[in-house]
Amino acid sequence: EAQVTQNPRYLITVTGKKLTVTCSQNMNHEYMSWYRQDPGLGLRQIYYSMNVEVTDKGDVPEGYKVSRKEKRNFPLILESPSPNQTSLYFCASSPPRRGTEAFFGQGTRLTVV
Amino acid sequence: SQQGEEDPQALSIQEGENATMNCSYKTSINNLQWYRQNSGRGLVHLILIRSNEREKHSGRLRVTLDTSKKSSSLLITASRAADTASYFCATDVTGTASKLTFGTGTRLQVTL
Repeated sequence: EAQVTQNPRYLITVTGKKLTVTCSQNMNHEYMSWYRQDPGLGLRQIYYSMNVEVTDKGDVPEGYKVSRKEKRNFPLILESPSPNQTSLYFCASSPPRRGTEAFFGQGTRLTVV
Repeated sequence: SQQGEEDPQALSIQEGENATMNCSYKTSINNLQWYRQNSGRGLVHLILIRSNEREKHSGRLRVTLDTSKKSSSLLITASRAADTASYFCATDVTGTASKLTFGTGTRLQVTL
């Protein structure tokens, strides 16, 4: 089954404790992205990747890092999480053709206390 | 940056009625997409309309696009309780869905 898989689905952590949210897709898509969703703000893009070793900042990259060492994986790293990073996070992927849709993971609900 | 603003923020209708949601955006786009989200879960793609299209249909969904007004609407006909969800428009300037800009969403409640 074609899918984007995020782990964990739920995470509660403390301020300053480094964490990684994993994202994996099995559709051989070139493009992958991370979004965060906050009430009243919709989804905002954090980072995106056009291919292996090619990443770029989205609209809200501060406090986040990403890497793309393999085509299928695009982990999101929070080196020193803060309470304002409490949010619902989504990973997405899309193929390299025009006029295509994005495929989303089920989301990771992160709480930083 | 918030490209799309949606209207209304919330909509409550009865089963069988039609639901219309509107989306406005700010810059030129390659296409505009609509997604559905059930209660904090992942987004599911509904329909995509290209910048050179004015109207598109898919089942009970009808999407219009007016690039001169930078606006789009999503019409769900003969709504069902299972249509209860949040609906988001997303603009795509690249055409590759690699950098979507989402609206704030419309929360639709369909009651029996």
